[in-house]
Amino acid sequence: AQKITQTQPGMFVQEKEAVTLDCTYDTSDPSYGLFWYKQPSSGEMIFLIYQGSYDQQNATEGRYSLNFQKARKSANLVISASQLGDSAMYFCAMREGQGGYNKLIFGAGTRLAVHP
Amino acid sequence: GAVVSQHPSRVICKSGTSVKIECRSLDFQATTMFWYRQFPKQSLMLMATSNEGSKATYEQGVEKDKFLINHASLTLSTLTVTSAHPEDSSFYICSAPLSGVNTQYFGPGTRLTVL
Repeated sequence: AQKITQTQPGMFVQEKEAVTLDCTYDTSDPSYGLFWYKQPSSGEMIFLIYQGSYDQQNATEGRYSLNFQKARKSANLVISASQLGDSAMYFCAMREGQGGYNKLIFGAGTRLAVHP
Repeated sequence: GAVVSQHPSRVICKSGTSVKIECRSLDFQATTMFWYRQFPKQSLMLMATSNEGSKATYEQGVEKDKFLINHASLTLSTLTVTSAHPEDSSFYICSAPLSGVNTQYFGPGTRLTVL
């Protein structure tokens, strides 16, 4: 069964607008972590934001925020004030368990294109 | 901040040859490293977990005899693609977790092309 689902293969947004990238997950482990990474055409994986399953508040990092809805098992990424440099692939990932040494499972990704 | 390097960044080889890819943690010790493979326009698929001083743990469907992993020191893991074939052409990327930090640090990746 797929554990991380990103249903949007591609998204378009106008520069300076906000955009939401969807991510749903499935796990029976009460302790888990959710991540978003950005992958530009160079291939490097850039860490954006992290949300722990026990965190009470939604994570925020600059223009990035994570809309964590635990009951719905969703962890959508919101990018505010989009910039042309935000054009890239975005991957949602989950780590089951508490340990930082546990493996990450990635979703299929969403390609974001920011238009001027 | 913590940095993970990979070498080489790009390699082209003939079918049947073996290719070694190195993954190094530059300013921290990594007892565990992860190796991923990414085909064009696809997601990262975990191949194996590399454990310092012990055998790697391979994901289901990954041939351990074809993808040899050695984690001989606390800062270096190597992935050797043995008898490479064109279908092994892919982007290989490693990552290493850092104790106390809620993320893994990824290397820049190695693009392997097998002719």
